[in-house]
Amino acid sequence: DIQMTQSPSSLSASVGDRVTITCRASHIIYNQLNWYQHKQGKAPDLLIYGASSLRSGVPSRFSGSGSGTDFTLTINSLQPEDFATYYCQQSYNSPRTFGQGTKVEIK
Amino acid sequence: QVQMVQSGAEVKEPGATVKVSCKASGYTFTTYGISWVRQAPGQGLEWMGWISAYYGTTRYAQNLQDRVTMTRDTSTTTAYMELRSLRSDDTAVYYCVKEGEVAGTVFFDSWGQGTLVTVSS
Repeated sequence: DIQMTQSPSSLSASVGDRVTITCRASHIIYNQLNWYQHKQGKAPDLLIYGASSLRSGVPSRFSGSGSGTDFTLTINSLQPEDFATYYCQQSYNSPRTFGQGTKVEIK
Repeated sequence: QVQMVQSGAEVKEPGATVKVSCKASGYTFTTYGISWVRQAPGQGLEWMGWISAYYGTTRYAQNLQDRVTMTRDTSTTTAYMELRSLRSDDTAVYYCVKEGEVAGTVFFDSWGQGTLVTVSS
């Protein structure tokens, strides 16, 4: 199985900050990497697919980059509604493993 | 618009079986696969398995393959996830998720609202 490792596991940031979350795959997954936002009590939402493609309707302050084994999710100018847990997920093969999550909290 | 509507919360005793349903609408059901993902309290997201809505073929997570069965009914556009021999660590919110695909990249683009399954004596 491909292991996905996110860092950090949590972070504190202020509104307006730039936030970067990294995700590393244990094997090469090319660009088969997706990012999800998960708020308490709600279902997760797809933000980024194919490592860098922004899903329609997702604010442009979210961006993704990377290929191979190392990937990054960046949130420019953090907004109050962005405080949530973020997960990366590989779709290169089965099982479609998730990272352990990064909780973004208010400083 | 696409909707995935799941059945309601369940409380089960250890050793019992639970079956969660997921009614899909707003798209051609047989075009996309459906995965099931769960989240135990305080834990992250865990992929449980996948079913092809067209063929009915399945793939399961290795740690669940002896206890889980995923099926679908194309006439009612409903997917099902059955988990047997329930244990306390199966207590979780269970999600069904529609897969999408663009240029060979597969992703989870529509999630059900989640079904809380509590395993307790």
